[in-house]
Amino acid sequence: DAGVIQSPRHEVTEMGQEVTLRCKPISGHNSLFWYRQTMMRGLELLIYFNNNVPIDDSGMPEDRFSAKMPNASFSTLKIQPSEPRDSAVYFCASLVGAKFPFFGQGTRLTVV
Amino acid sequence: GDSVTQMEGPVTLSEEAFLTINCTYTATGYPSLFWYVQYPGEGLQLLLKATKADDKGSNKGFEATYRKETTSFHLEKGSVQVSDSAVYFCALSGSSNTGKLIFGQGTTLQVKP
Repeated sequence: DAGVIQSPRHEVTEMGQEVTLRCKPISGHNSLFWYRQTMMRGLELLIYFNNNVPIDDSGMPEDRFSAKMPNASFSTLKIQPSEPRDSAVYFCASLVGAKFPFFGQGTRLTVV
Repeated sequence: GDSVTQMEGPVTLSEEAFLTINCTYTATGYPSLFWYVQYPGEGLQLLLKATKADDKGSNKGFEATYRKETTSFHLEKGSVQVSDSAVYFCALSGSSNTGKLIFGQGTTLQVKP
């Protein structure tokens, strides 16, 4: 099993540009989570999906952030336009049933 | 709402020293409790878990016991190694069983030879 796969691992972009982060969950997992990690706020849940449907997006900070899950094997987190304060490590995680989430290796985003 | 509080780090220990990282939580109902570990440049890996009161989770020499009376889930290891240097996160999953995790702030552990 390849685990949760995130791409890119690192992204550097200029303020105002659109950024798209990608996640492939573990096959068979039916819940997917996007977290953001910063020094100031630690790990925060942004949004989670169950069976490809967004269930709770209360953690999405602003309208500049959007997430989609068009099928069971792919999800995106988009920031448009990006700002320096969006710089963080973004993690995707997936799980099945009442188990524990498996995390990807994260995408380190730097907005300059 | 639910929350997790961890002892602040960094924690610096010599090899073979005893480790305790304190974790307390606030939650309604009966949450599941977890310790995740993050090695430099890596994602989070589950270290151990406990799903009900008095359960003890253990893995790789680490242990933690779910104490409902003190709402705690302290992480312990009898003899740390340099390879244990990492950031440790305590987390809970609420009784709604959605899999959403609420994390503590993380505690950095540095073990010196």
